Amino acid sequence: SQKIEQNSEALNIQEGKTATLTCNYTNYSPAYLQWYRQDPGRGPVFLLLIRENEKEKRKERLKVTFDTTLKQSLFHITASQPADSATYLCALKGSSNTGKLIFGQGTTLQVKP
Amino acid sequence: EAQVTQNPRYLITVTGKKLTVTCSQNMNHEYMSWYRQDPGLGLRQIYYSMNVEVTDKGDVPEGYKVSRKEKRNFPLILESPSPNQTSLYFCASSSQDRGNSPLHFGNGTRLTVT
Repeated sequence: SQKIEQNSEALNIQEGKTATLTCNYTNYSPAYLQWYRQDPGRGPVFLLLIRENEKEKRKERLKVTFDTTLKQSLFHITASQPADSATYLCALKGSSNTGKLIFGQGTTLQVKP
Repeated sequence: EAQVTQNPRYLITVTGKKLTVTCSQNMNHEYMSWYRQDPGLGLRQIYYSMNVEVTDKGDVPEGYKVSRKEKRNFPLILESPSPNQTSLYFCASSSQDRGNSPLHFGNGTRLTVT
């Protein structure tokens, strides 16, 4: 069955370091992959989208890579700040899978000052 | 301000008492969807709507109903709530149902059914 895996363990890093979060998927051929940020008790907020034919996408301190051979996306936050502490969700959608954006369970990032 | 508005934010009810959670978006989006989020299970889609009068089941539709009579509104109806429907619910919308359209989420409705 289709599966999306994000590290369920929280990621703790020091302020200023680069945070790297992983999203792996199986039995799926996504055409698009999206990353969202979710703060406790709030709705997810869209951050970045990357297409299957794109290797990398950047937005300010954020960088996303998409490796369809490894079936993996990496999400990087450079020069991390305590305000980056949140849960980060990846979501995938196939080009033929109308109506469904499948979400991973998310990884919680804690940036310590 | 572009937004998705859900009401209420918090709701405590008893088993069997019908309730409706409202959702409204002001972005003229065609696509709307309801999710529930539970610890360890992540976001799961309940129902979605591609446009007015077009709705379809998501992954966990049992016990829920929706309607899309107007483009901006997509209420979630629980005809006879049960304790296993205690959850955090999110409404979301996007300009079209394609993977390159980001979802805009509401701030959630925390429902407790006793």
